[in-house]
Amino acid sequence: DGGITQSPKYLFRKEGQNVTLSCEQNLNHDAMYWYRQDPGQGLRLIYYSQIVNDFQKGDIAEGYSVSREKKESFPLTVTSAQKNPTAFYLCASSILTGTTGELFFGEGSRLTVL
Amino acid sequence: GNSVTQMEGPVTLSEEAFLTINCTYTATGYPSLFWYVQYPGEGLQLLLKATKADDKGSNKGFEATYRKETTSFHLEKGSVQVSDSAVYFCALRAGNMLTFGGGTRLMVKP
Repeated sequence: DGGITQSPKYLFRKEGQNVTLSCEQNLNHDAMYWYRQDPGQGLRLIYYSQIVNDFQKGDIAEGYSVSREKKESFPLTVTSAQKNPTAFYLCASSILTGTTGELFFGEGSRLTVL
Repeated sequence: GNSVTQMEGPVTLSEEAFLTINCTYTATGYPSLFWYVQYPGEGLQLLLKATKADDKGSNKGFEATYRKETTSFHLEKGSVQVSDSAVYFCALRAGNMLTFGGGTRLMVKP
């Protein structure tokens, strides 16, 4: 089935460690996105990518890094510079052209810093 | 910039009650409008969408009409069920970016 796969679903990290969240899609979408969701809050954009080997910062990029070496993959690294990394992270993808296409979301990854 | 404002929750209803969740937006140009639903511990699923003025999106008994004159896209359902309990997000797309509202939690009691 086509879709977006995020892993791991749950992740625990000690302070000072970097962690990488995986996001893979087989929808042949050009654009991919990472959002952060805090309890009871909406979604905030971390990074997005419209094409391989290119990506742009979103509203809250500090303390995060991404790569887009393949069209299907858009991993997110939460670095030790992120002061409050405990959150629910959502990956999404969409077609690039036009404004009518919706975003397709993965099931999310919940990161907890111990 | 673009923005989406939706009513704060939680909204608590009894089963079979009528639901309205208000959503208004600010955007340049002609955005597409969406409603997403998020069940506990899961990602967001598209519920319905409308791509131009006066379009009505509908799915699973939910409806929303794209009102350009009032810049609104209110979500309605005639008779809610316990299984509709979730968080609902209104969103607009202008270009390649989606802008989300803050979400509205709906709780339906038997």
